[in-house]
Amino acid sequence: AQTVTQSQPEMSVQEAETVTLSCTYDTSENNYYLFWYKQPPSRQMILVIRQEAYKQQNATENRFSVNFQKAAKSFSLKISDSQLGDTAMYFCALKNNAGNMLTFGGGTRLMVKP
Amino acid sequence: NAGVTQTPKFQVLKTGQSMTLQCAQDMNHEYMSWYRQDPGMGLRLIHYSVGAGITDQGEVPNGYNVSRSTTEDFPLRLLSAAPSQTSVYFCASSIGQGRPPLHFGNGTRLTVT
Repeated sequence: AQTVTQSQPEMSVQEAETVTLSCTYDTSENNYYLFWYKQPPSRQMILVIRQEAYKQQNATENRFSVNFQKAAKSFSLKISDSQLGDTAMYFCALKNNAGNMLTFGGGTRLMVKP
Repeated sequence: NAGVTQTPKFQVLKTGQSMTLQCAQDMNHEYMSWYRQDPGMGLRLIHYSVGAGITDQGEVPNGYNVSRSTTEDFPLRLLSAAPSQTSVYFCASSIGQGRPPLHFGNGTRLTVT
């Protein structure tokens, strides 16, 4: 079985500052994908960033970057220069390469304050 | 390109009623799935399909049925709704088995009274 844990139910950050959301996971597989999804109040699920486990280089998408620590099974999301539009629920998710199930963490509610 | 379309957006049912949540995708994706989202629990997989005529159970399948008669459509049926099925339901698809990322619909908020 695979599990994903997000230990921060809620976080807040001032506009233009940097915030890091934590995620730890557990899987017995060696090949897998990790994702961060954003869910704004509109309820839409938006893929923010993805990381293949075989890649050592941390993924980056504009203001979003990850710190992937495979040995520690940690996958944190850093948001730089936070914007009001970043206010949302953020979900960390894991998918084993061979399986069909995407396992989600419980989510972190991020509030960006002006 | 509509992507993944879910209907309805909102639904209220009484205990024991039945209904079908519709999901359609126009991306010719082989893989389709249904998730439910409950507070503090993220999204949990209900059922999935890797192609027309093939379905399988996910993490929380009890109380739900699915079928996949075409590549485009993957309806989710609640035969006898229960209050425990009050949730937000998401349909998602991807190009093939084991091939992320998932493309999500906009969700259906279901309330069972």
